[in-house]
Amino acid sequence: DTAVSQTPKYLVTQMGNDKSIKCEQNLGHDTMYWYKQDSKKFLKIMFSYNNKELIINETVPNRFSPKSPDKAHLNLHINSLELGDSAVYFCASSHRAGAKNIQYFGAGTRLSVL
Amino acid sequence: GENVEQHPSTLSVQEGDSAVIKCTYSDSASNYFPWYKQELGKRPQLIIDIRSNVGEKKDQRIAVTLNKTAKHFSLHITETQPEDSAVYFCAGSGGGADGLTFGKGTHLIIQP
Repeated sequence: DTAVSQTPKYLVTQMGNDKSIKCEQNLGHDTMYWYKQDSKKFLKIMFSYNNKELIINETVPNRFSPKSPDKAHLNLHINSLELGDSAVYFCASSHRAGAKNIQYFGAGTRLSVL
Repeated sequence: GENVEQHPSTLSVQEGDSAVIKCTYSDSASNYFPWYKQELGKRPQLIIDIRSNVGEKKDQRIAVTLNKTAKHFSLHITETQPEDSAVYFCAGSGGGADGLTFGKGTHLIIQP
């Protein structure tokens, strides 16, 4: 069974639209993350979420908002999409909070903004 | 915040030879350094990690060394095989949003 799963795998949309990416983990982990991987393969943390505490990377525009209905899910909502948002978005999870814990990644969602 | 530098960006070695990838970090508070392997179109997968209370760790053909004083750590792959071809990322735990700060990746190419 896939431990960290994301949907959709591919997302193609127009500039200005609002879209969501879903993430679910069945590992029983307490903490979930969103990372962005740009066209140059650079991986950058966007958010971490642990027990209702959201920690935001200050460089992330407020058009991006994570939503967690429960501990096993952390969805990513993006408003007013821009061309520069095109990237692969990876969800990850770890047993406990803090970057010093092993993180397991989902398969990624490739977002293309036209 | 944390800054992780990774070199080289591309590394080509003959099958059977060793490969070494080096990283430096800036945040002396970082205490966890994982290495991830990412094959084309796939997710990053953890291959080995090291914590700051250890200087070296080995797992079969893969080893990682850490020099806390110099703030650098390295990945060593011996007896390289074609399936080792991938992009390798180092990371440090001192990043913002309580997440990992990744290096920019090394594209490892194993020549037959």
